[in-house]
Amino acid sequence: GAGVSQSPSNKVTEKGKDVELRCDPISGHTALYWYRQSLGQGLEFLIYFQGNSAPDKSGLPSDRFSAERTGGSVSTLTIQRTQQEDSAVYLCASSLEVTSAAAFFGQGTRLTVV
Amino acid sequence: AQTVTQSQPEMSVQEAETVTLSCTYDTSENNYYLFWYKQPPSRQMILVIRQEAYKQQNATENRFSVNFQKAAKSFSLKISDSQLGDTAMYFCAFSLYNFNKFYFGSGTKLNVKP
Repeated sequence: GAGVSQSPSNKVTEKGKDVELRCDPISGHTALYWYRQSLGQGLEFLIYFQGNSAPDKSGLPSDRFSAERTGGSVSTLTIQRTQQEDSAVYLCASSLEVTSAAAFFGQGTRLTVV
Repeated sequence: AQTVTQSQPEMSVQEAETVTLSCTYDTSENNYYLFWYKQPPSRQMILVIRQEAYKQQNATENRFSVNFQKAAKSFSLKISDSQLGDTAMYFCAFSLYNFNKFYFGSGTKLNVKP
């Protein structure tokens, strides 16, 4: 697509429920990133997919968080048994796997756990 | 480990004036890339400017320019002729030459006053 697309834009869920956040990267971009941005804060790295390599999961805050990328394109971030501290904006970005490439971001999913 | 520091949580500037946002980073690597991103209230992260560490010449994009001091590990953003539309959060970011995740600072909130 023309840009990185994320869905839903906003999600309100009850504590303890599972949620799935979707990211559709720019066509041809083989690198995909998930970041979390708490209110008024910077970006916290969660996970990075690079082509066919094993993903870098070093930023996932707990085993309740997981992500997959099917067919090298669309990615889904899943949060199980959501907690109130999971409330944040979840940003997805994609880029070309070439040096000096910048990351292009989607508009994010605002997750609110009540 | 790579870190990015933005020491100015919030700044204000009058319309048409010039403002400089500070960023410092820490890395033991010699080849890397630096970026400034803008995040308006719409949440969309927008690439403003990028700089390759091996280039001594400072990058310029219209009203936006950087002052890259490699030895000091400093990467400041200068916005000339500030416009109301420049009001946003500005994030400094860093990525390694071998292309790994992007590291972000905590952001500077810029308010352009009419």
